[in-house]
Amino acid sequence: DAGVTQSPTHLIKTRGQQVTLRCSPKSGHDTVSWYQQALGQGPQFIFQYYEEEERQRGNFPDRFSGHQFPNYSSELNVNALLLGDSALYLCASSFGGNNQPQHFGDGTRLSIL
Amino acid sequence: KNEVEQSPQNLTAQEGEFITINCSYSVGISALHWLQQHPGGGIVSLFMLSSGKKKHGRLIATINIQEKHSSLHITASHPRDSAVYICAAANTGNQFYFGTGTSLTVIP
Repeated sequence: DAGVTQSPTHLIKTRGQQVTLRCSPKSGHDTVSWYQQALGQGPQFIFQYYEEEERQRGNFPDRFSGHQFPNYSSELNVNALLLGDSALYLCASSFGGNNQPQHFGDGTRLSIL
Repeated sequence: KNEVEQSPQNLTAQEGEFITINCSYSVGISALHWLQQHPGGGIVSLFMLSSGKKKHGRLIATINIQEKHSSLHITASHPRDSAVYICAAANTGNQFYFGTGTSLTVIP
């Protein structure tokens, strides 16, 4: 049984470009959350998807958007990349909301040049 | 002020020592999570609790809802316990608030 898988593992982009990160939840999970973790910092909540809709959102600009597909997989899109978007992007899945155990992927490390 | 504060930020212990990491939060929660992050980024969920105490092997997590405080204890620490431990508060609105983590190094 595969856990949470994220792709790609590493990505290098330049300022102004757009990026799409992907997440497949653990089998049986219906909720996907995305987090940004800057170097040396704790993760910051970006948003959570449930039933193909954004259920909750953290303090991130509209440049950050997402999508959840009928098979519960999810994408994180970031437009007009800034140097400050360089971070590890983590995906976590659960069955239900945040009062359920969260299973994390290994993350996508995004570097902006 | 952050919604979740952890202490200490860094901790070095000798193998075998008893370790305590503290977490205070200011939001109303539905659950409090303790996470372990190894170098390279992978995060493992250790505990999720909303009251009382949970134990898994050498790890114990406690929470005091009235005081909005949680602790993670590691008994008989081992070098393989070296990692960053993160406290995360999940509020009733499905938002997650993370602490900045405690970096633990256990020396043989």
